[in-house]
Amino acid sequence: GAGVSQTPSNKVTEKGKYVELRCDPISGHTALYWYRQSLGQGPEFLIYFQGTGAADDSGLPNDRFFAVRPEGSVSTLKIQRTERGDSAVYLCASSPIGGGANVLTFGAGSRLTVL
Amino acid sequence: GIQVEQSPPDLILQEGANSTLRCNFSDSVNNLQWFHQNPWGQLINLFYIPSGTKQNGRLSATTVATERYSLLYISSSQTTDSGVYFCAGSGGYNKLIFGAGTRLAVHP
Repeated sequence: GAGVSQTPSNKVTEKGKYVELRCDPISGHTALYWYRQSLGQGPEFLIYFQGTGAADDSGLPNDRFFAVRPEGSVSTLKIQRTERGDSAVYLCASSPIGGGANVLTFGAGSRLTVL
Repeated sequence: GIQVEQSPPDLILQEGANSTLRCNFSDSVNNLQWFHQNPWGQLINLFYIPSGTKQNGRLSATTVATERYSLLYISSSQTTDSGVYFCAGSGGYNKLIFGAGTRLAVHP
């Protein structure tokens, strides 16, 4: 597509529920990143994919968070047993080849609210 | 890990004024980028500038890599420049580390 597409744009859930957030990167972009942005803060790195594999998942806060990219295109961020502290905007970005040396294009984000 | 410090945290300008935003890094970075986040939350890349100076219209940026800082200049500011400006860099070539941002409000 023309840009990075993220769905849903807004998600409200209850504490303890399971949530999936989807990212559709720019066609042909091999690198995909997930970031989390809390209110008033800069984006915080979660995970980076090069193709189908997670090249760096050091930013995932705990084992409730998991992300996949099975065919090297669309990625899904999965959050189990959501907590109120998970409330944030989850941003996805893609770039043409691997590595931060490339300009990232960000999606509009998925706003998650955990009640 | 790399720490990114941005200043000032908040800035209020009258339309037409000029401003300089600064970004300091705790260590050398392999790539440095400036982003603008508009009031609707969309992050737009402004510059990829690991060193040197670049200009794009009313915006320009300078990075002095040896001294680990970068500057973003906004000239003749407009209300559409409002939002949050972030700088980001990485020690390796994967994860960008973002600063806390400079919140800019331009009033007519």
